[in-house]
Amino acid sequence: GAVVSQHPSWVICKSGTSVKIECRSLDFQATTMFWYRQFPKQSLMLMATSNEGSKATYEQGVEKDKFLINHASLTLSTLTVTSAHPEDSSFYICSARGDRGLGGYTFGSGTRLTVV
Amino acid sequence: AQSVTQLDSQVPVFEEAPVELRCNYSSSVSVYLFWYVQYPNQGLQLLLKYLSGSTLVKGINGFEAEFNKSQTSFHLRKPSVHISDTAEYFCAAGYVNTGFQKLVFGTGTRLLVSP
Repeated sequence: GAVVSQHPSWVICKSGTSVKIECRSLDFQATTMFWYRQFPKQSLMLMATSNEGSKATYEQGVEKDKFLINHASLTLSTLTVTSAHPEDSSFYICSARGDRGLGGYTFGSGTRLTVV
Repeated sequence: AQSVTQLDSQVPVFEEAPVELRCNYSSSVSVYLFWYVQYPNQGLQLLLKYLSGSTLVKGINGFEAEFNKSQTSFHLRKPSVHISDTAEYFCAAGYVNTGFQKLVFGTGTRLLVSP
């Protein structure tokens, strides 16, 4: 149990276009989802926390207008990178947490975004 | 601010040798601790976690970790590593002042197992 599907696993897009990444909890209801960004050979940087049906809470320094997060249902959250630029190229990982008690974080498999 | 420190960025070890990956966390009244493994271009897989109870936690793939409150440490150990254990390992902590909502990650330790 506790599977999170993240799609796509990789994407290449042109500079100036927008890219949407989906994160789905397959067998549980994710009351909270987290979006991370990981630079090569570095740790995970939390970008934002989203609760179903409410606006996401962004970490300091993360542009909310550039990284749009929607958590419209208990099983789906999306991250849209708007007007992408090469510096947005990175590995993005989502994590979902349900009602299975504290400590129940499940991570998606990540999305490698390359902006050319 | 809370922080998690992984002092070793890289740990080389020979196959079948024991290994310890170090993790220290900033002190708190209450903390949850996790170890995750990441293979190239993949997400994070939970190895083990400490929420409460016994300070020795056993996880998957033969890994274990010990919660040491006095030393604020949660070191990961394996008595005999395999080539397939080569990966990046992250220690993470959840703190009570964020309702245990967010995880604070260490910078990661790359375990390199050679024959």
